[in-house]
Amino acid sequence: ILNVEQSPQSLHVQEGDSTNFTCSFPSSNFYALHWYRWETAKSPEALFVMTLNGDEKKKGRISATLNTKEGYSYLYIKGSQPEDSATYLCAFYNYGQNFVFGPGTRLSVLP
Amino acid sequence: DADVTQTPRNRITKTGKRIMLECSQTKGHDRMYWYRQDPGLGLRLIYYSFDVKDINKGEISDGYSVSRQAQAKFSLSLESAIPNQTALYFCATSEFSTDTQYFGPGTRLTVL
Repeated sequence: ILNVEQSPQSLHVQEGDSTNFTCSFPSSNFYALHWYRWETAKSPEALFVMTLNGDEKKKGRISATLNTKEGYSYLYIKGSQPEDSATYLCAFYNYGQNFVFGPGTRLSVLP
Repeated sequence: DADVTQTPRNRITKTGKRIMLECSQTKGHDRMYWYRQDPGLGLRLIYYSFDVKDINKGEISDGYSVSRQAQAKFSLSLESAIPNQTALYFCATSEFSTDTQYFGPGTRLTVL
């Protein structure tokens, strides 16, 4: 069973604050790590696909880093806005074509 | 038009009834998935299919069955629904090259 953890489970920040959260996954047999953004009453949407140790991806104010050797990825949001409020999911893939989603981090950005 | 559609969007049923949830996609992807989402538990994989002749059990397949009628269609059945199958169900598709998943709008199922 693949164990993928995300922390914190939830957080509240003020508009304009920068924030980050963590996805932890098994460091062996790594294939890919995906990040998704899931707004309330909508479906999850892909943010990033990361495959190489040291990868950094950026989309607007959101960026992510990957450390496959120690088994973690960070997602950063710079200058949070209320529209960033969502649950952020990571999904870990190994070479056996197995994958699992983490439980998510629920972000609330207060105006 | 949505690339991944699910029907119905909402369904209330009674314990013991047979229920089918349907998923269709126009993305041309070979891979399709069914998930359920429960509060605090994230997305859990029920079944997945990498092509029309391929069906695989996921983490929580007990009490569910699936049918891949065509590349574009993947149905989830609850043979005899029970209350703890009350959840939000998502269908998703992905292409082989990236495995990025594209989700349908979800079906909210309530079993009384």
